[in-house]
Amino acid sequence: EAQVTQNPRYLITVTGKKLTVTCSQNMNHEYMSWYRQDPGLGLRQIYYSMNVEVTDKGDVPEGYKVSRKEKRNFPLILESPSPNQTSLYFCASSLSGLGGSGGGPTDTQYFGPGTRLTVL
Amino acid sequence: QKEVEQDPGPLSVPEGAIVSLNCTYSNSAFQYFMWYRQYSRKGPELLMYTYSSGNKEDGRFTAQVDKSSKYISLFIRDSQPSDSATYLCAMKPPRGGSYIPTFGRGTSLIVHP
Repeated sequence: EAQVTQNPRYLITVTGKKLTVTCSQNMNHEYMSWYRQDPGLGLRQIYYSMNVEVTDKGDVPEGYKVSRKEKRNFPLILESPSPNQTSLYFCASSLSGLGGSGGGPTDTQYFGPGTRLTVL
Repeated sequence: QKEVEQDPGPLSVPEGAIVSLNCTYSNSAFQYFMWYRQYSRKGPELLMYTYSSGNKEDGRFTAQVDKSSKYISLFIRDSQPSDSATYLCAMKPPRGGSYIPTFGRGTSLIVHP
């Protein structure tokens, strides 16, 4: 089954304790990205990756790191989490991210099920 | 002013009603317009997309773009309780522009039997 998986689905942690949220896709997609979703603010992109070893900042990258060493995996790293990073996080992937068809067959983003993070 | 404005609702309608969901935007560079549906405790899924102005129909769903007014709409005919979800609009500039889509806040729709 084609899918994007995230782990963990739920996480409660404390300020300053480094954590990693994993994301994996089995569709051989080139483009992957991370979003956070907050009430009243909607979905905001944190980082994205056009391909292996190619990453770039989204709208809200502060406090986050990513890496793309393999095509299928795109982990999100919070080196020193703070309470303002409490949010619902989504990983997404698409065949390409050229911004061409913007939602066409090659640009359709498939989202993971989400990770609810609480930082105390 | 946010680049994309979307009323969060909730919008509550009876089964069978025609639903109209809307977004306004300020960036005239946006050319690609998308609607995502997000069920509770799930990730968003792409419902429809359109390029530039015009209408696009897919079953009970119709997406409409009016670039002159910077206004997009999603119409749902014969709404069903299974349509109850949050609907997010998203937009992007054309090829060569930003790879980052801009999302609206989402509108919560409740269709009651």
